[in-house]
Amino acid sequence: QSALTQPPSASGSPGQSVTISCTGTSSDVGGYHYVSWYQQRPGKAPKLLIHEVTRRPSGVPARFSGSKSGNTASLTVSGLQAEDEADYYCSSYGGSNLFVVFGGGTKLTVL
Amino acid sequence: EVELMESGGGLVQPGGSLRLSCAASGFIFSKYVMYWVRQAPGKGLEYVSGISSNGGSTYYANSVRGRVSISRDNSKKTLYLQMGRLRGEDMGVYYCARADLYDNYGMDVWGQGTTVAVSS
Repeated sequence: QSALTQPPSASGSPGQSVTISCTGTSSDVGGYHYVSWYQQRPGKAPKLLIHEVTRRPSGVPARFSGSKSGNTASLTVSGLQAEDEADYYCSSYGGSNLFVVFGGGTKLTVL
Repeated sequence: EVELMESGGGLVQPGGSLRLSCAASGFIFSKYVMYWVRQAPGKGLEYVSGISSNGGSTYYANSVRGRVSISRDNSKKTLYLQMGRLRGEDMGVYYCARADLYDNYGMDVWGQGTTVAVSS
């Protein structure tokens, strides 16, 4: 039950794009189409941004997009805005029914 | 409005027990897989446990297996987490989360969390 690997930090200027990676193994990220991304602002509960690798729930801006290649999933935030400054977490089906593995989180700073 | 409301957190001594509850409203609770996820102070999200929609299947993180039990009462629209033999590393905010109806591994609704502190 090892955590997925995310960079601890990422940054970009307003209007730019930034991509956050999430690396697992063929037993989780690489083996299934069940990768999700969450945004968490300080003191708040996480919010689902992306699920099933690329699907955006209703209400999530199109600036947020997901992709996957091999054992690495990615979240891209386009047209960065000040309000995007937050912690971002990936998660994946962990290979057993009802088991989810999370990444360590990435703190996104908007310069 | 779709909502999850956790309760039951508090201060407990090492080795003690606690039962967390999560009351659901605004959706058909019995249709959804549910999860408990925790977050230690200043740390990231950590999966704790998951339960199927009818309660027949459960799974636990290695860190809590044998000390924690997840359950649900669909008639009361409530999810539970019974925690025992608590340790310092169990401290943090405990969130209940609902899985997406069609993607059981994406958590689309979260509660506000309840805080567990372990100290003598």
